[in-house]
Amino acid sequence: NAGVTQTPKFQVLKTGQSMTLQCAQDMNHNSMYWYRQDPGMGLRLIYYSASEGTTDKGEVPNGYNVSRLNKREFSLRLESAAPSQTSVYFCASSGQFGGYTFGSGTRLTVV
Amino acid sequence: KQEVTQIPAALSVPEGENLVLNCSFTDSAIYNLQWFRQDPGKGLTSLLLIQSSQREQTSGRLNASLDKSSGRSTLYIAASQPGDSATYLCAVDTGNQFYFGTGTSLTVIP
Repeated sequence: NAGVTQTPKFQVLKTGQSMTLQCAQDMNHNSMYWYRQDPGMGLRLIYYSASEGTTDKGEVPNGYNVSRLNKREFSLRLESAAPSQTSVYFCASSGQFGGYTFGSGTRLTVV
Repeated sequence: KQEVTQIPAALSVPEGENLVLNCSFTDSAIYNLQWFRQDPGKGLTSLLLIQSSQREQTSGRLNASLDKSSGRSTLYIAASQPGDSATYLCAVDTGNQFYFGTGTSLTVIP
């Protein structure tokens, strides 16, 4: 099925560890996004990529880096995880006619 | 900055009732508005996408309306079912990014 695929689905990290969240879409969309979702805070944009080769900061970029590897893939890296980064992370993409398609999410716990 | 508000935060209705969920936004300069459904522990599923030039969109028992000038959108659910229980989120596209409301948690009681 066409859509957005995120890996892993669950992850537990110790404070200070690093990890990369992977995201791939097969809908030929130009734009891709990383959000985090926290109780009572809603969805907040971390980084986005309007097209291959470009990335821009969103509302909460501190502590994260991203790479738009090609048109299909957009990864999110935590260099030194902190408990405040415990959250559910969603990748999304959008195409020519607008509207988002979301991945199923990565539930990250930092202890 | 665009701000999106959804009221009420939670709603409980008996099965079969028709209901309306509300979404308001502060800046009327939007490209489109999208309604999503999120089940506990799951991702977001797109329900309806309304382009800025449209007034409404329909899919099955769902109807979404958009009034840009007043900064409002409604999601109408007809003949609600227990399977409709979920959190409903609206998001507005300003051209640079989407801004999300914090959602309405709907419970449909059998």
